[in-house]
Amino acid sequence: TQLLEQSPQFLSIQEGENLTVYCNSSSVFSSLQWYRQEPGEGPVLLVTVVTGGEVKKLKRLTFQFGDARKDSSLHITAAQPGDTGLYLCAGEGYGGSQGNLIFGKGTKLSVKP
Amino acid sequence: DTEVTQTPKHLVMGMTNKKSLKCEQHMGHRAMYWYKQKAKKPPELMFVYSYEKLSINESVPSRFSPECPNSSLLNLHLHALQPEDSALYLCASSQDRAGTNEKLFFGSGTQLSVL
Repeated sequence: TQLLEQSPQFLSIQEGENLTVYCNSSSVFSSLQWYRQEPGEGPVLLVTVVTGGEVKKLKRLTFQFGDARKDSSLHITAAQPGDTGLYLCAGEGYGGSQGNLIFGKGTKLSVKP
Repeated sequence: DTEVTQTPKHLVMGMTNKKSLKCEQHMGHRAMYWYKQKAKKPPELMFVYSYEKLSINESVPSRFSPECPNSSLLNLHLHALQPEDSALYLCASSQDRAGTNEKLFFGSGTQLSVL
């Protein structure tokens, strides 16, 4: 069974601080996606990483896919209250697991003004 | 139109009721999904429809019955649910199920409470 472990589970920081969220697995994924979810809403896709070692930037957010395609990180620079939400990583496996996204448990981020 | 629309947004039902959740997308996506999300937990896959045919059923109890009337619509029929079935039910769609790098577009969900 493929599992994705996210850390930390909860993060409360002040506006302007930097933070990193980690997503780790012992399994290899063909791609990995990051979503942000607000209470009572569905997850919204932020980015998809496909190539080992890939780095993608989305404004103040930097996403990295590990060389071995087993882990990923999300780094937020100068966090703002609008960044508050649940951040979920989700991996797509190979073969029979293809097309079935496996979600991590999420990191609940709170950015205080 | 890049939206996945779910109705109703909230639903309260008794254990003997029959209700249906509806999901609609007009992006021409050929794969549609039902996920269940309990509070403070990640979404868990329930069903996948690919080209209007059920391709994945993740051992979901028969009190949940999915239906895909056409490529734009996905329903989830509910009957004789239990209180532990209370959750946020999310619909999602993607261009295709096969292959890598498929992007899922989620609806806002239906918050279901079973009394």
